Amino acid sequence: QVQLQESGPGLVKPSETLSLTCTVSGGSISPYYWSWIRQPPGGGLQYIGDIYYSGNTNYNPSLKSRVSMSVDTSKNQFSLKLNSVTAADTAVYYCVRVGSGGLFDSWGQGTLVTVSS
Amino acid sequence: QPVLTQPPSVSGAPGRRVTISCTGRSSNIGAGYDVNWYQQLPGTAPKLIISGTSNRPSGVPDRFSGSKSGTSASLAITGLQAEDEADYYCQSYDSSLSGYVFGTGTKVTVL
Repeated sequence: QVQLQESGPGLVKPSETLSLTCTVSGGSISPYYWSWIRQPPGGGLQYIGDIYYSGNTNYNPSLKSRVSMSVDTSKNQFSLKLNSVTAADTAVYYCVRVGSGGLFDSWGQGTLVTVSS
Repeated sequence: QPVLTQPPSVSGAPGRRVTISCTGRSSNIGAGYDVNWYQQLPGTAPKLIISGTSNRPSGVPDRFSGSKSGTSASLAITGLQAEDEADYYCQSYDSSLSGYVFGTGTKVTVL
C-alpha cells in the first residue's frame, strides 16, 4: 500500500516562501497525478493543485500566482512552493495521490505550517 | 461563495439514520462529475469513504451510502455508531475552475 510523508519547515516568516516535499513509498510515483491539499486550523479542505508524474501541473486559480509544484521521479518525490506567504497560509498541508476518476485515495499524515515572524 | 455547500452539523442517536447534503452547481455536480466523500476523524487525515458518487472502497462499512440528483449529492449513514462522529466532506471537479473542489464540511455528532 502506498504511503506518503510530508517534510519541510514548520515555521515560515511572512513574505517568505513555504517549501514542502512529499516522499512516496510502497509504490511508484508514475503514472499518477499527485496533489497538495491544505486545511487551516478549524477550517475546511482547500485544493492547492496537482502535478502529473511527467511534470504537467494544474493549480487552484485563487493560488495560481504564488504556487509552483515539481516532481522528481528518481527520488519518488514531489514538491510544493508557495511564495509571499501570510498568516492566512497557516494550515496543515497534506500530500495526496489522485486516483482514477479524480478522487483522493491516499493521504499523507499532514504537516502543520505556521506563518509567523 | 462556496462552490459545494454542506450543512455545518447534523446529529443523531445511535442506531438512527442521518443524511448530509452537498449542494453544487451546473459546473460541477450538475455537469455529471463524480462526487466523492471523505471522513475526517479528529486529528487525522481525511479518508475516502465513497467514490464515484455511490461506491464504497474496500473496508468501508455498508452503513455508508451515496447518491446524486441534479446539482446535489447526499451521504447517508444508517445505524449510526459512536465511531462515526467525525467531519465529512464532499468533493468533485468544477469545469469553470478547471480544478477539484471540496464541500464546506459537516460535523456529525452522535447523541
